[in-house]
Amino acid sequence: ETGVTQSPTHLIKTRGQQVTLRCSSQSGHNTVSWYQQALGQGPQFIFQYYREEENGRGNFPPRFSGLQFPNYSSELNVNALELDDSALYLCASSLASSISTDTQYFGPGTRLTVL
Amino acid sequence: AQTVTQSQPEMSVQEAETVTLSCTYDTSESNYYLFWYKQPPSRQMILVIRQEAYKQQNATENRFSVNFQKAAKSFSLKISDSQLGDTAMYFCAFKNTGNQFYFGTGTSLTVIP
Repeated sequence: ETGVTQSPTHLIKTRGQQVTLRCSSQSGHNTVSWYQQALGQGPQFIFQYYREEENGRGNFPPRFSGLQFPNYSSELNVNALELDDSALYLCASSLASSISTDTQYFGPGTRLTVL
Repeated sequence: AQTVTQSQPEMSVQEAETVTLSCTYDTSESNYYLFWYKQPPSRQMILVIRQEAYKQQNATENRFSVNFQKAAKSFSLKISDSQLGDTAMYFCAFKNTGNQFYFGTGTSLTVIP
């Protein structure tokens, strides 16, 4: 396994609610990226955090937001949930300098279902 | 915008044989990174191999190697001596200088005993 953990494993919410997903990075990793993976699709990049600052963002609306903490754990928050938000959410941690990003280590994911 | 295309949704290979998975990408950047990831059924995604665009030499990791053709924007993965444990979904991915990642839709590989 990669040493990256995510919680919860599964989650069911209703449309319009808010959700917080959590990720614990591999020890010493200073960068975390979040992805949305719809069923049968490849992961879609949501954003990346480096040393607690957003360091890159994909094509996702502002209701997708994140936090990275000094201990390098992180959260993905999604407001005003929509049915299309149902997906597997993956986080990936890496050890990066300001120049390049090293290998990403993925967590097992959180399966979010929006009813 | 960058895109990654994997044109083979499903492939199969006999155990011990060699298989090649295709990937093409589109970008206007000259410096970027390419990756192949493996996602076994119900298990975590793991990195198989990576390639820096500024390196002309093709990356190799044990039984896994790539054929990187920068001008053609092609990045194929060759798996030699296929093993049952290689059965998985394989994703090709691209990272640009803005730290944005793009994944293909994946190729489901089945190794047949």
